[in-house]
Amino acid sequence: DAGVIQSPRHEVTEMGQEVTLRCKPISGHDYLFWYRQTMMRGLELLIYFNNNVPIDDSGMPEDRFSAKMPNASFSTLKIQPSEPRDSAVYFCASSNLAGGRGEQYFGPGTRLTVT
Amino acid sequence: AQSVTQLGSHVSVSEGALVLLRCNYSSSVPPYLFWYVQYPNQGLQLLLKYTTGATLVKGINGFEAEFKKSETSFHLTKPSAHMSDAAEYFCAVSSGNQFYFGTGTSLTVIP
Repeated sequence: DAGVIQSPRHEVTEMGQEVTLRCKPISGHDYLFWYRQTMMRGLELLIYFNNNVPIDDSGMPEDRFSAKMPNASFSTLKIQPSEPRDSAVYFCASSNLAGGRGEQYFGPGTRLTVT
Repeated sequence: AQSVTQLGSHVSVSEGALVLLRCNYSSSVPPYLFWYVQYPNQGLQLLLKYTTGATLVKGINGFEAEFKKSETSFHLTKPSAHMSDAAEYFCAVSSGNQFYFGTGTSLTVIP
């Protein structure tokens, strides 16, 4: 299994531009999570999906952030417009056991720099 | 409400010495507990987990953790530190469909 795949691995963009991060979960996993990691705030859960349906988006910082999961093998996290404070590493993770029993498998992350 | 507290954001040990990383949790229901490790420029990977059964859990790379309900703790230990253990370690707790990570502990191994 290739594991969780994220693209791009690095993204540098200018303030105001739209940024789209992509994630392919492990086949058969029915939970997908988006996290953001910064030195100041640590690891933050932004949103998670179960069977392609958003379950909890309370961690999404503001309306500039949106996430979709059109099918079981693909998810996007979009930031529009981007701001310098959005600079962080964004991780996608997937899991296949409900009720929190299953571990999460993390992708390698996308390092976003907004100038 | 659930939460995870990792005591000590930075821990330094000598190579060959005992590693002890502390984790305490609060949970209104029996939790599932996890330790993850993050090496530089990589995602998190699972070290070990406790769901049910034996309270002493063994993981990869010689790490183990013990679930102590009375102390609401799940401390991570390794008898002898290796240089390759230098990384960030995260404790996590889940219950139902809620999943919480601690703030992480950075482990430095001194040669």
